Amino acid sequence: GQQLNQSPQSMFIQEGEDVSMNCTSSSIFNTWLWYKQEPGEGPVLLIALYKAGELTSNGRLTAQFGITRKDSFLNISASIPSDVGIYFCAGALNTGNQFYFGTGTSLTVIP
Amino acid sequence: DTAVSQTPKYLVTQMGNDKSIKCEQNLGHDTMYWYKQDSKKFLKIMFSYNNKELIINETVPNRFSPKSPDKAHLNLHINSLELGDSAVYFCASSRLRGITGTEQYFGPGTRLTVT
Repeated sequence: GQQLNQSPQSMFIQEGEDVSMNCTSSSIFNTWLWYKQEPGEGPVLLIALYKAGELTSNGRLTAQFGITRKDSFLNISASIPSDVGIYFCAGALNTGNQFYFGTGTSLTVIP
Repeated sequence: DTAVSQTPKYLVTQMGNDKSIKCEQNLGHDTMYWYKQDSKKFLKIMFSYNNKELIINETVPNRFSPKSPDKAHLNLHINSLELGDSAVYFCASSRLRGITGTEQYFGPGTRLTVT
């Protein structure tokens, strides 16, 4: 199946810094989802986006549905150690039954 | 409340054995999935069931057989386990939010180790 391009692959940042990551696709999606996976756990849904241009926040996290519908962005402001994990994007079409995942961004926050 | 649950959490077994992983969701979703996550953390879709009907069947060895007794349960049976089957297996479920979009939720994963 299609795998979305997610960048950067990994990030090492100081506590307090802001983080930006993005996800691009060759296909148009109607839904973009962002997940966080901590070691030994399943991916947890952070933010869901449903309209081109939509900007949605969840605490210090803000995600955007790209205007072209082929990309999405996730920002984390003022990072803290518990933000550590792998962040995945996922896109889905209107049929809603198949999800295409990004390759993941591994985030390390240095206290 | 548990949304998507899987058992067991860990499974260690020898090559050639047959094993099953169970999944249950209490979200009232119509569609359930099995994913395999390898050591590079890629999430690869294996199967998807919608209302007990198989709708996605990616290129997976036929030693893997999903079974959905009802729309809240999706089990995965693996025959003749091989070393390369070692991975983390995730169950997930999803619902449509009308025509506007969809959400998918994951279980905690089953770490399978074949020795």
